[in-house]
Amino acid sequence: DAGVIQSPRHEVTEMGQEVTLRCKPISGHNSLFWYRQTMMRGLELLIYFNNNVPIDDSGMPEDRFSAKMPNASFSTLKIQPSEPRDSAVYFCASSSRQGFGTDTQYFGPGTRLTVL
Amino acid sequence: KQEVTQIPAALSVPEGENLVLNCSFTDSAIYNLQWFRQDPGKGLTSLLLIQSSQREQTSGRLNASLDKSSGRSTLYIAASQPGDSATYLCAVSGAGGYNKLIFGAGTRLAVHP
Repeated sequence: DAGVIQSPRHEVTEMGQEVTLRCKPISGHNSLFWYRQTMMRGLELLIYFNNNVPIDDSGMPEDRFSAKMPNASFSTLKIQPSEPRDSAVYFCASSSRQGFGTDTQYFGPGTRLTVL
Repeated sequence: KQEVTQIPAALSVPEGENLVLNCSFTDSAIYNLQWFRQDPGKGLTSLLLIQSSQREQTSGRLNASLDKSSGRSTLYIAASQPGDSATYLCAVSGAGGYNKLIFGAGTRLAVHP
């Protein structure tokens, strides 16, 4: 299995531009997570999908952030408009819900976003 | 609100030493605790997952223990090697009614030859 795939790996954009990050979870996994990692705040959960349905978006920082999961093999995280404080590494992770106690989350390589 | 703390923040040891990384959490109502490894510029790799009913898990030179009542976990690395150099993150799940992970800030480990 190729693991969780994220694209692009690096993104540099200017303030005010729209940014779209993409994720392909591991085949057969039905839980998908988006995280953000910064030096100041560490790793934070942004949003959680189960069976393509957003279950918990309490971590989404502002209305500028939105996420979708149109099918079991694809998810996007969009920032519009982007701001310099959005600069971070964004990770996607997936897991199969065999049961809470045994869920291991598998992380993608991340997208390093720089907003100038 | 669950908070996860990892001590020390950084550690530098010579090759061959046995070492212990510490993780503490404030709310003992967890489903599981996981230890991850993160290499520079890379994603996270799950090392060990301890379910709330378990006391420890082992994988090769790694052993993780869990004491739910005291809110503590340790990751023991035996006979450390330069290839073990990475940041080690502890995460607990249980908040929100699903496998929502709350991460510590990590311990940055350097093993020198």
